Amino acid sequence: DAGVTQSPTHLIKTRGQHVTLRCSPISGHKSVSWYQQVLGQGPQFIFQYYEKEERGRGNFPDRFSARQFPNYSSELNVNALLLGDSALYLCASSLSGANVLTFGAGSRLTVL
Amino acid sequence: AQSVTQLGSHVSVSEGALVLLRCNYSSSVPPYLFWYVQYPNQGLQLLLKYTSAATLVKGINGFEAEFKKSETSFHLTKPSAHMSDAAEYFCAVSSNAGNNRKLIWGLGTSLAVNP
Repeated sequence: DAGVTQSPTHLIKTRGQHVTLRCSPISGHKSVSWYQQVLGQGPQFIFQYYEKEERGRGNFPDRFSARQFPNYSSELNVNALLLGDSALYLCASSLSGANVLTFGAGSRLTVL
Repeated sequence: AQSVTQLGSHVSVSEGALVLLRCNYSSSVPPYLFWYVQYPNQGLQLLLKYTSAATLVKGINGFEAEFKKSETSFHLTKPSAHMSDAAEYFCAVSSNAGNNRKLIWGLGTSLAVNP
């Protein structure tokens, strides 16, 4: 069975640009969560979606947005990129928003 | 509010020695507790979880953890370290109520295993 897949795996952007990160959950999982992991730190919660509705939002600016599609895949969008947005962005899926998350390998964003 | 403190950002053990990674939590409600492992350039893999059943939890790769409410601790142990255990380990806490069950993470402990 395919796990959580994320794309792209690596990308480089410049300040002020926009980025879209994509995530496909495990088949049958209806909840997707996004986390930001800055180098040397633990993940920070950004969003959780369940059944295409936002169920939770972390302490991130409005430049960060996300959505979940009818097939339960998800996109994370970040506008007006800052140097501090450089991080590993992790997507995790779960059956129903419950606690056990399965993570993808992440998308590593570098902002120059 | 919930929080997690991992004591020791770097732990070094010899191959075959006991592994002990410390995690203390703070939670105003009964917690769910997790240990995840992250290998270089990879995502996070669940090692084990505590969800209010048995206080001694066994996970994958020979790891286990014990929930001690009186000490607000959930330390991770393994009797004998292998070279392949070298990785970053994260402790996380979540509430066991409500629909928004986001995880609150510690800063991680980097485990080095010496031959």
